[in-house]
Order: sequence, then C-alpha cells, then structure tokens
Amino acid sequence: GAGVSQSPSNKVTEKGKDVELRCDPISGHTALYWYRQSLGQGLEFLIYFQGNSAPDKSGLPSDRFSAERTGGSVSTLTIQRTQQEDSAVYLCASSLLAGAGGELFFGEGSRLTVL
Amino acid sequence: RKEVEQDPGPFNVPEGATVAFNCTYSNSASQSFFWYRQDCRKEPKLLMSVYSSGNEDGRFTAQLNRASQYISLLIRDSKLSDSATYLCVVTNSGNTPLVFGKGTRLSVIA
Repeated sequence: GAGVSQSPSNKVTEKGKDVELRCDPISGHTALYWYRQSLGQGLEFLIYFQGNSAPDKSGLPSDRFSAERTGGSVSTLTIQRTQQEDSAVYLCASSLLAGAGGELFFGEGSRLTVL
Repeated sequence: RKEVEQDPGPFNVPEGATVAFNCTYSNSASQSFFWYRQDCRKEPKLLMSVYSSGNEDGRFTAQLNRASQYISLLIRDSKLSDSATYLCVVTNSGNTPLVFGKGTRLSVIA
C-alpha cells in the first residue's frame, strides 16, 4: 500500500513477555519516528531514525525498550519484559524530509494491552 | 513547564459557530509549527502548517505569535465533520522530533 503500515494492529500479552511491533514506512521516506499514546493522553516521542541510525533515542522510557531499522526501511520496536504501564497505542510515522520541514505520515498504530 | 500546552477542552459548539484554540510552547528556539487533527481512535494527520505571517486554508486560519510563544487555530462556520482532537505540534530546527501537545477536543453539535 501507499501508506505507513504497522503490525500487529492489536496485541494482548501477559506481563513479563516480550513484544515486537513492526513499522513499514512509505517508500522513499528517510525519516522514521516512533511515538506512543496512552488513553486520553498526547503523543509521547520514543525514538527517531534517519536512515538506519537513530540520532535521537531520548524518549525511550527504559532499557526494556529498543528499536532498530534495517535497509533504511522497516523498523521494529521491541519491548522486553512488558509491564502494565506499557499498555498504549504505539504509532509509527515517516517523513520525506528529516527534522523540521517534513510532514509526518502516521500508521494506524499498534494497540498493546499488557495484562 | 510542559514543552507544548493546550487547553484539553472539550469545546462543544453548535454548527456554524466560530471557535478558536490556543497553544503555548516553552522553547523559544522552536522553528516550525503545525496543527494536526486526530479523529477518535485514528492516527493524527496534518491539518496545516503555521507560518510567521499567518495562513488560511478555507475555513481554517492559523497564526503564530513568537513574542508570546503561542499558536492559534481559528475554525469558522464549524461543521459536524470538524469534530476531532486538534494537536498543536512544535519542532526546533535540525534533526529534532516533532513535539505534540495533548490536544484540544472539539465537538460540533447539530
């Protein structure tokens, strides 16, 4: 498809399990972002990729969170030993231009529920 | 102080009304400003960029006041389809991520 694709769209897991969330950005977009949104809250920045490198990973809440991007395309966000407070919608976005100039195109998100 | 602050609302207005939202930002080095729209349980989408001179897109007008560090969005002749959450977004120059406000919820009522 032409848009940002995320999978899974919904994930229910037990506390302590690891989860992987995938993002397939728009073809040709060099910048890729991960945000998360808890119920009724704003978007919380997690990490940003320019190509395969992550100039800014300041938003990752703990060392249980990691992300990688390969081939300048697909990105995976991994959460280890999930906790209930990790429950949120994880949104991926890509943009043609890095930094200030680019419009972000978001995927529909991966809704994570940790029981 | 949060980097981007918005009145969460909700703003409940009748169809045809004019409504305005403000957003304040704390970083005076901020360079670019946007309004995004997010429908219930959907992803955010760009509504419009905000330029220093102010800009208009149909019924929507965005303004920037750098001295007071706030951005505004004015919606004229509100439609039912305008019901959504409006997110104020700010970024600095260079390779920095966009910072989103928590959003202002608008409900346009028939």
